[in-house]
Amino acid sequence: AQKVTQAQTEISVVEKEDVTLDCVYETRDTTYYLFWYKQPPSGELVFLIRRNSFDEQNEISGRYSWNFQKSTSSFNFTITASQVVDSAVYFCALTSNNAGNMLTFGGGTRLMVKP
Amino acid sequence: GAGVSQSPSNKVTEKGKDVELRCDPISGHTALYWYRQSLGQGLEFLIYFQGNSAPDKSGLPSDRFSAERTGGSVSTLTIQRTQQEDSAVYLCASSLGGSSNTEAFFGQGTRLTVV
Repeated sequence: AQKVTQAQTEISVVEKEDVTLDCVYETRDTTYYLFWYKQPPSGELVFLIRRNSFDEQNEISGRYSWNFQKSTSSFNFTITASQVVDSAVYFCALTSNNAGNMLTFGGGTRLMVKP
Repeated sequence: GAGVSQSPSNKVTEKGKDVELRCDPISGHTALYWYRQSLGQGLEFLIYFQGNSAPDKSGLPSDRFSAERTGGSVSTLTIQRTQQEDSAVYLCASSLGGSSNTEAFFGQGTRLTVV
């Protein structure tokens, strides 16, 4: 069975602070894919990033960066210089070919960025 | 349309009534998923359609839940004899194919309230 754990249910920061959202996953598959989605108050899940299990290179996209560590089964997400518009619920998710393409989501982390 | 469209956006129904939720996926996407997001919880997989293959119904919580996808496009999720615990946001997603490494695009969801 696959499992995704986001231990932080809620984080509150002040604008311009850096914040890291943790994600730990479990899977028996050797080929798998990790995702981060953002859910703003409007409710729609917005895709942020996808990583496959063979690519541990960290990725940076503007103020967003992701740290994939297979040794610790973690795929953490950092927002640098946070902004109020970053306030949302962030979900980490996992799938694999053996999982029938079904996404297994973590419980989500609610990020509140205060001005 | 440009994205995944779901209707209605909100539905209030009386306990015991049947409801139908509709999802229009992105044109050309062969894979379609339904998820449920209960208040304060993560996303729970319900059902997955891929092309003409038999759907993966492993996530449906009871036999009161069913879904169909007509013509490989529009999908309807039906909940019979609704119960209060069915109250949740029902999210639909589509992706280009069954390959695990293609991201799923989500609709804005249908918020179902059973009173």
